[in-house]
Amino acid sequence: GQQVMQIPQYQHVQEGEDFTTYCNSSTTLSNIQWYKQRPGGHPVFLIQLVKSGEVKKQKRLTFQFGEAKKNSSLHITATQTTDVGTYFCADSTGRRALTFGSGTRLQVQP
Amino acid sequence: DAGVTQSPTHLIKTRGQQVTLRCSPKSGHDTVSWYQQALGQGPQFIFQYYEEEERQRGNFPDRFSGHQFPNYSSELNVNALLLGDSALYLCASSQGQGSQPQHFGDGTRLSIL
Repeated sequence: GQQVMQIPQYQHVQEGEDFTTYCNSSTTLSNIQWYKQRPGGHPVFLIQLVKSGEVKKQKRLTFQFGEAKKNSSLHITATQTTDVGTYFCADSTGRRALTFGSGTRLQVQP
Repeated sequence: DAGVTQSPTHLIKTRGQQVTLRCSPKSGHDTVSWYQQALGQGPQFIFQYYEEEERQRGNFPDRFSGHQFPNYSSELNVNALLLGDSALYLCASSQGQGSQPQHFGDGTRLSIL
């Protein structure tokens, strides 16, 4: 079945450094969604990307959908301790339910 | 405006027992999906309910069953519990079927002894 791979599994950065997580699929995606899950919390929807090559920004977060719609990335500029958590991409192709990646856990050292 | 609410928050069961978890969707949402999240993993889709019927199902055995009520709330039932069923069970609601953005509840932490 459809699989979505995420790298890295874990990243530890100093506050102020940038962070990027990558999401890759072996097949073409229609849409991709990104979620953030704080430690002990539940996933919270961040954004959905639909178009090839699409780039969306939310303050310090930049989301990108690849031209071939087989990969996506989330980049955080100048991380803060509030960015700590696990970031998941999720395949939202067609009318199927979401298929989540395994996530990237971000730790930010103050 | 209440978000997604789940009960109970924690539950401890023994192997072979049965469990029922409950979920009330966000106001205005008509679709409920259930996910299982093992420690350190992403949520795994169990099934989705819309108009009181199971519309989609993930790769979970028949021991996992569910129900949706006319008020859109939902239950997840798991029979013959196994140690491997220990996980966080997340309920998510959305407006409409398929791949709409999901609003998650805080989950039920199920521990099997």
